[in-house]
Amino acid sequence: AQTVTQSQPEMSVQEAETVTLSCTYDTSESDYYLFWYKQPPSRQMILVIRQEAYKQQNATENRFSVNFQKAAKSFSLKISDSQLGDAAMYFCAYRSPISSGSARQLTFGSGTQLTVLP
Amino acid sequence: EAGVAQSPRYKIIEKRQSVAFWCNPISGHATLYWYQQILGQGPKLLIQFQNNGVVDDSQLPKDRFSAERLKGVDSTLKIQPAKLEDSAVYLCASSLRLAGVYPYNEQFFGPGTRLTVL
Repeated sequence: AQTVTQSQPEMSVQEAETVTLSCTYDTSESDYYLFWYKQPPSRQMILVIRQEAYKQQNATENRFSVNFQKAAKSFSLKISDSQLGDAAMYFCAYRSPISSGSARQLTFGSGTQLTVLP
Repeated sequence: EAGVAQSPRYKIIEKRQSVAFWCNPISGHATLYWYQQILGQGPKLLIQFQNNGVVDDSQLPKDRFSAERLKGVDSTLKIQPAKLEDSAVYLCASSLRLAGVYPYNEQFFGPGTRLTVL
């Protein structure tokens, strides 16, 4: 079974600065999908960014980018120019390839609570 | 486009009572998911529907939890009888495409129902 680990329960960053959230995962599969979700106090999970494991290029979405290290099974999220609205719980998630029987499931980490300081 | 709707937003019950949650997915979405998110943890999939059929309920505690998706649209999740450890946020999500077939299948989440069992 796949596992996702987020070792930073809490992080803080000064407004306009850059912060990196860590995520590691364990899998024996060679092709899979990785995601970062944001969950603000409203509780609604919002997809921030996704990465396909077969792509070597790191995904980027505006101020959000990832550092995907496949061999190390590491998938960190970098938030540049942090804004007050970025404050939320961030979850890393893994999904198996479509050839897998468990392809339908998202496996989530335990989350990192990000505080943005004005 | 309207998002995933859930009700109620909050529910407080005593142990051994029954409770039901309702979810209305995004129009046209074939796949519907129910997740349980215990405080301090990431969401865990309870059950997944494809139209009105169950495709994965391996993590649903079937002795007390039940779910149905009437006519392949709305869904209800029921707990009977509730236990203290059922206190959690229950998230509903939906996706457009057939899960486990297409390489990417974004899930859209609702705001969740926070259940407190006393």
